Amino acid sequence: GQQLNQSPQSMFIQEGEDVSMNCTSSSIFNTWLWYKQDPGEGPVLLIALYKAGELTSNGRLTAQFGITRKDSFLNISASIPSDVGIYFCAGQLAGGTSYGKLTFGQGTILTVHP
Amino acid sequence: DAMVIQNPRYQVTQFGKPVTLSCSQTLNHNVMYWYQQKSSQAPKLLFHYYDKDFNNEADTPDNFQSRRPNTSFCFLDIRSPGLGDAAMYLCATSRDSDYEQYFGPGTRLTVT
Repeated sequence: GQQLNQSPQSMFIQEGEDVSMNCTSSSIFNTWLWYKQDPGEGPVLLIALYKAGELTSNGRLTAQFGITRKDSFLNISASIPSDVGIYFCAGQLAGGTSYGKLTFGQGTILTVHP
Repeated sequence: DAMVIQNPRYQVTQFGKPVTLSCSQTLNHNVMYWYQQKSSQAPKLLFHYYDKDFNNEADTPDNFQSRRPNTSFCFLDIRSPGLGDAAMYLCATSRDSDYEQYFGPGTRLTVT
């Protein structure tokens, strides 16, 4: 099925650094969601975006719904070791089926060195 | 706290032996989803229920079935598990089709 292009695939950073990751697509989305998944656990919703241009923060996390509705980014400021995990973007396609099927990015593996 | 609960967290079954995974939710959400996730991949939707209406993804094998006896519970039945069915199975819920999905902690299935 269709996938979002999520980048980077992996990141190795030092504690305290800022992190940025993004998802792009050739299709238009109505909704963008960002999830974090720890090993052996289910994805945890971080931020949900519903309007083009929307900028939303959740603590040290900030995400934006792109104006074109084809992209979204997630920033993490002042990273800490517990930020380690896999981050997935997911979106609901505009004009798609009505039941809210999510299209997922490939994930970004984040490693934070103390 | 309102949440999505999956039991068991770890399940071992034998090749060909039917297995059932369960999901319950205290969110009172209309929609419940089942996903399969293999190592280092994104979750893959198997099917979902909108209330009592069942919707199967076109590429979900017939080996996978689901039941939703009431709003709170949903089950995933694998009739004859193969080695390729070893994966993490995730349940998710959403208030309605246009709202964000909340995932449970998952069940790790091992097939021996």
